Amino acid sequence: DTGVSQNPRHKITKRGQNVTFRCDPISEHNRLYWYRQTLGQGPEFLTYFQNEAQLEKSRLLSDRFSAERPKGSFSTLEIQRTEQGDSAMYLCASSLGGNREKLFFGSGTQLSVL
Amino acid sequence: GESVGLHLPTLSVQEGDNSIINCAYSNSASDYFIWYKQESGKGPQFIIDIRSNMDKRQGQRVTVLLNKTVKHLSLQIAATQPGDSAVYFCAVLEGGGSYIPTFGRGTSLIVHP
Repeated sequence: DTGVSQNPRHKITKRGQNVTFRCDPISEHNRLYWYRQTLGQGPEFLTYFQNEAQLEKSRLLSDRFSAERPKGSFSTLEIQRTEQGDSAMYLCASSLGGNREKLFFGSGTQLSVL
Repeated sequence: GESVGLHLPTLSVQEGDNSIINCAYSNSASDYFIWYKQESGKGPQFIIDIRSNMDKRQGQRVTVLLNKTVKHLSLQIAATQPGDSAVYFCAVLEGGGSYIPTFGRGTSLIVHP
């Protein structure tokens, strides 16, 4: 158990619905990352936060994707108007925030869009 | 941008053998490298890391070798066990203050009893 908690573990939704995932990082970690992983591929970076500041969001897949970390602790990732191509594992990771710190991952949220 | 690749998508070994998983990267400014293990249904789990000022680092049954000249790193697992069966990823951070690890596709390690 790495200490990064993600909820829900699984989400099944219909195309066009909005979904929101939550990530609780390791408590003393100030960097939080979101990745997406499809079958047979490595994790693909989406966005990351340093405390409450979102420092990189240009790689979010479309304007339907948004993330927040309002108090610098937990984070949410929202996908609006889901499409079947959004089906994937969404992974959250956190790190201490120093120079060259390893990331600790949660178990992910598996999204299936029908 | 960073391009990270793995030489073999699947590696099958017998229990007790040593395993070597390779990874190539393209950006010579990359300065931090991490190996992760991912079991089915779980997130990636940290195994070992190495910074660009080193060429070898050892952990428990694992060794990472970094060859900056050819932009290649490898993960060696000694006395491979069935519990080592998983997908292994290398992740690379570019220099210049980037804090975003880029992952390769992964190598599936299958250990036969």
